[in-house]
Amino acid sequence: NAGVMQNPRHLVRRRGQEARLRCSPMKGHSHVYWYRQLPEEGLKFMVYLQKENIIDESGMPKERFSAEFPKEGPSILRIQQVVRGDSAAYFCASSPGQGDEKLFFGSGTQLSVL
Amino acid sequence: GEDVEQSLFLSVREGDSSVINCTYTDSSSTYLYWYKQEPGAGLQLLTYIFSNMDMKQDQRLTVLLNKKDKHLSLRIADTQTGDSAIYFCARKGSARQLTFGSGTQLTVLP
Repeated sequence: NAGVMQNPRHLVRRRGQEARLRCSPMKGHSHVYWYRQLPEEGLKFMVYLQKENIIDESGMPKERFSAEFPKEGPSILRIQQVVRGDSAAYFCASSPGQGDEKLFFGSGTQLSVL
Repeated sequence: GEDVEQSLFLSVREGDSSVINCTYTDSSSTYLYWYKQEPGAGLQLLTYIFSNMDMKQDQRLTVLLNKKDKHLSLRIADTQTGDSAIYFCARKGSARQLTFGSGTQLTVLP
């Protein structure tokens, strides 16, 4: 049973470009969470999704950031018109659903904005 | 102050016990977690404790929870060089997402 898979591991973008980060949850997991980790800081919650639904996006910046988790395929975190301050490690986590309190994390995508 | 706080650094000698401390402010926390992050890697769930428990032991790991003081600790017995990593404390409240501390860098000296 593969763990949470994120790709790419490293992503380099120039200011103004778009970044797309992908996350495939563990098999059987229907809940996905995205977190951002700035250098030497803890993880900050961004968004919580279930299949085809955004449940909680209270941690998402109001502009340029969006997330989806379609019926088929991975969850996508999309950052439009990236700026240097978007440089961070972005982690995805998944859980089976209601009643299971454990989150399992992927290895993250390191986004570098030049 | 931050919702979840940890000291930034801890150094111990190989074979000694390590104790990593965490405090939190929200008394509605239901579950508390310890995660380990090695360089360049994601977070690995080490252990977690439900808020109505005060202790949980799993091999070399012991978690102590003082709910009155909102204090959580992780004790690693017989610390090894492979335990060197960043350890994150996290809490879950009424919402499903976790709130993390800033992490404690554990360095194990030979």
